[in-house]
Amino acid sequence: GQQLNQSPQSMFIQEGEDVSMNCTSSSIFNTWLWYKQDPGEGPVLLIALYKAGELTSNGRLTAQFGITRKDSFLNISASIPSDVGIYFCAGLTNYGQNFVFGPGTRLSVLP
Amino acid sequence: EAGVAQSPRYKIIEKRQSVAFWCNPISGHATLYWYQQILGQGPKLLIQFQNNGVVDDSQLPKDRFSAERLKGVDSTLKIQPAKLEDSAVYLCASSLVRRGYGYTFGSGTRLTVV
Repeated sequence: GQQLNQSPQSMFIQEGEDVSMNCTSSSIFNTWLWYKQDPGEGPVLLIALYKAGELTSNGRLTAQFGITRKDSFLNISASIPSDVGIYFCAGLTNYGQNFVFGPGTRLSVLP
Repeated sequence: EAGVAQSPRYKIIEKRQSVAFWCNPISGHATLYWYQQILGQGPKLLIQFQNNGVVDDSQLPKDRFSAERLKGVDSTLKIQPAKLEDSAVYLCASSLVRRGYGYTFGSGTRLTVV
């Protein structure tokens, strides 16, 4: 089945720094979602992307749908302590019925 | 609107025992999903319902897992008998449409099998 890879696996940054993470696959996807999961909670949808090349922002978060349709990127600008959590990408292929989730990127923000 | 409700939040059982989890989706959401999230991994789909019918249960270990959504609203997921490797968070999610553009997840049930 389709598999998603996320990098980096984890990252430690200073408060105020910008963050970049990505999600890649060997399969083509026609929808990408980015979720954030806080400890003890379910994932919360951050951004949804539906077209190759699409760039979408949600506050300090910006995500892009890669033009090859095999990857997606998430950037967080001016990180703050509440950005701490695990960020998951999820993709949907043309023939898939459900979203496949990546293994996540764990973000830690140091004061 | 109220979110996806799940109970219990935590459960500890011994191996070979049985356990059941309950989910009440967002009102009006026809599609309901159960996901298993093992520590350090992303959620993995177990079963998808559209109203009270099963759409996809290809990854559900049917020898021990079962799920139902009898009236097309709330749902239960059962494990019988449980194994150590079933220790995970079980997440319920719902969406308005099938292949929904983003799911809303509940807070999950953390199961520990000892």
